[in-house]
Amino acid sequence: DTAVSQTPKYLVTQMGNDKSIKCEQNLGHDTMYWYKQDSKKFLKIMFSYNNKELIINETVPNRFSPKSPDKAHLNLHINSLELGDSAVYFCASSQGGLSGNTIYFGEGSWLTVV
Amino acid sequence: GNSVTQMEGPVTLSEEAFLTINCTYTATGYPSLFWYVQYPGEGLQLLLKATKADDKGSNKGFEATYRKETTSFHLEKGSVQVSDSAVYFCALRGAVSGGGADGLTFGKGTHLIIQP
Repeated sequence: DTAVSQTPKYLVTQMGNDKSIKCEQNLGHDTMYWYKQDSKKFLKIMFSYNNKELIINETVPNRFSPKSPDKAHLNLHINSLELGDSAVYFCASSQGGLSGNTIYFGEGSWLTVV
Repeated sequence: GNSVTQMEGPVTLSEEAFLTINCTYTATGYPSLFWYVQYPGEGLQLLLKATKADDKGSNKGFEATYRKETTSFHLEKGSVQVSDSAVYFCALRGAVSGGGADGLTFGKGTHLIIQP
């Protein structure tokens, strides 16, 4: 069983489109995240949800909107896609509360905007 | 704010060579420290971690020791293999005010290439 699963793995779409990436974790964790990895492999946190509540919201265009229907799911919706949105998006989860708790990552969603 | 600095590479070594990837950090309080590995075309996997000063994390022959006095968490392996070729990320995770833990702050990653 995949602990953190995200779909789709690959997504090619045109500028201006709206797309969603779905994420589910079966680890029973209470905190979920979205990270963005750019073309230079740099990883940066975008959002964090704890028990369905937004905890971290980094400087991200408001075209990006996370939605957490329950503790096990955190989806990422992107409106009006731009070329610069091309990146790998990683979903992750952890049990919140202690900094030593491991954050587990999904396999990534490769988004290409053309 | 928190930050992590690591050598960016690429680092190219021959098989069975000794590996060191340097990592230093800046953080308030007492963060936990992690090394993650990303193999080509794959996601991030935890390699090892240490949650307090002088702790040593180890896994698959890799080791790193949490050195508070030098704010460092260098990754080492005594004899690397071709299969170790990957991108390695140093990261820290701190506490947040009001309780709970922050997300991970990553270094820029070190691309390691092992040649036969």
